[in-house]
Amino acid sequence: QSALTQPASVSGSPGQSITISCTGTSSDIGGYDYVSWYQQHPGKAPQLIISEVNNRPSGVSSRFSASKFGNRASLTISGLQPEDEADYYCSSYTSRNTLHVVFGGGTKVTVL
Amino acid sequence: DVQLLESGGDLVQPGGSLRLSCVGSGFTFRSHGMYWVRQAPGKGLEWVAGISGSGYTFYADGVKGHFTISRDNSKSTLFLQMNSLRVEDTGVYYCAQENYYGSGLDHWGQGTLVTVAS
Repeated sequence: QSALTQPASVSGSPGQSITISCTGTSSDIGGYDYVSWYQQHPGKAPQLIISEVNNRPSGVSSRFSASKFGNRASLTISGLQPEDEADYYCSSYTSRNTLHVVFGGGTKVTVL
Repeated sequence: DVQLLESGGDLVQPGGSLRLSCVGSGFTFRSHGMYWVRQAPGKGLEWVAGISGSGYTFYADGVKGHFTISRDNSKSTLFLQMNSLRVEDTGVYYCAQENYYGSGLDHWGQGTLVTVAS
């Protein structure tokens, strides 16, 4: 069982917007502004698409945006494109037990 | 460009040992926190261990006591010594670089496959 909870799958049609939720606790998401999101295509390494709650690294499409409220973080993909079909993982720093970083279980995004 | 190149993955029997390496280039290695993240077949990402630029280490509970992370800044190399390997340690092991504390894992290697089976 992952420390952060994500829906297993989300789908949308091209051009639509979708939102992926990521729920944690006050020991991780709620306690730090160090929430990251990663995109992973099949057979590839993950790629950072959001850092520090809502910052997009250079080169990441502006169609990706994110936010946090309390113990819950969200990633929104606007104007869904076929190349957005991938697995998405949230991550947070944590003070729970002795863990330093925790990941969500991942969300499979399907473009219909 | 930042590059991370892992090596050392192999097929090993339960109870065996393996040492993974990750060579970094294109950045000042000693200035960055480095991490190992693994992914079991068909499963999600799992953080394994991390080490600061100065050598402070931290581990996930499931590997504490049987994995050791270390680094050689003079050779821009990150290591993961894995002892007493279990079937559930099977997966692709990625090394990843943190640009600064809290920035997330900005760069990842291509991964190296560890298979623990008899």
